[in-house]
Amino acid sequence: AQKITQTQPGMFVQEKEAVTLDCTYDTSDQSYGLFWYKQPSSGEMIFLIYQGSYDEQNATEGRYSLNFQKARKSANLVISASQLGDSAMYFCAMREGSPNNNDMRFGAGTRLTVKP
Amino acid sequence: SAVISQKPSRDICQRGTSLTIQCQVDSQVTMMFWYRQQPGQSLTLIATANQGSEATYESGFVIDKFPISRPNLTFSTLTVSNMSPEDSSIYLCSGFGGLGYGYTFGSGTRLTVV
Repeated sequence: AQKITQTQPGMFVQEKEAVTLDCTYDTSDQSYGLFWYKQPSSGEMIFLIYQGSYDEQNATEGRYSLNFQKARKSANLVISASQLGDSAMYFCAMREGSPNNNDMRFGAGTRLTVKP
Repeated sequence: SAVISQKPSRDICQRGTSLTIQCQVDSQVTMMFWYRQQPGQSLTLIATANQGSEATYESGFVIDKFPISRPNLTFSTLTVSNMSPEDSSIYLCSGFGGLGYGYTFGSGTRLTVV
């Protein structure tokens, strides 16, 4: 069963505006971690932000913030003041809480295009 | 966080041959993983590379096709064996140090099989 769902294959945003990329997840674990990665056309995976399931506050890293709604099992990424360099694929990922299970599972991704 | 050097960055290979991809981490990581990203797709976990023992493979991936080694905490290899055009993908290694929250990725190997 799909554990990470990203329902937006592609998104467009005007430069300098904010954009929200959606991510929902499915797990029965109480302890888990949620991640967002950016993949530009070069192919590298760039870590953006992390949210732990027990974190009470939404994570923020510069222009990136994570809108974590635990009851709804959603972890949307908000990018403020979009820049042309933000154009890339964005992947949501989850690590579930078992001590022997530290691998990450990825969503299908959202391709973000920032328009000048 | 750890820095992972992955090589080769890209290669074009003949079908039926094998390619070995290497990942070197600049500090010890507790776990290393190998992912495949087929064209236009997301990342799929191939296996967890275990130090000094056989890798743990995900459903759909087998050791004969994707043998993995991890002789120590900072180095791992993935071999793509008996390649066919369907193996054309980006292959990425990842390390989890147990500290901090971000998993580090290598820069990826873009493989084309002709």
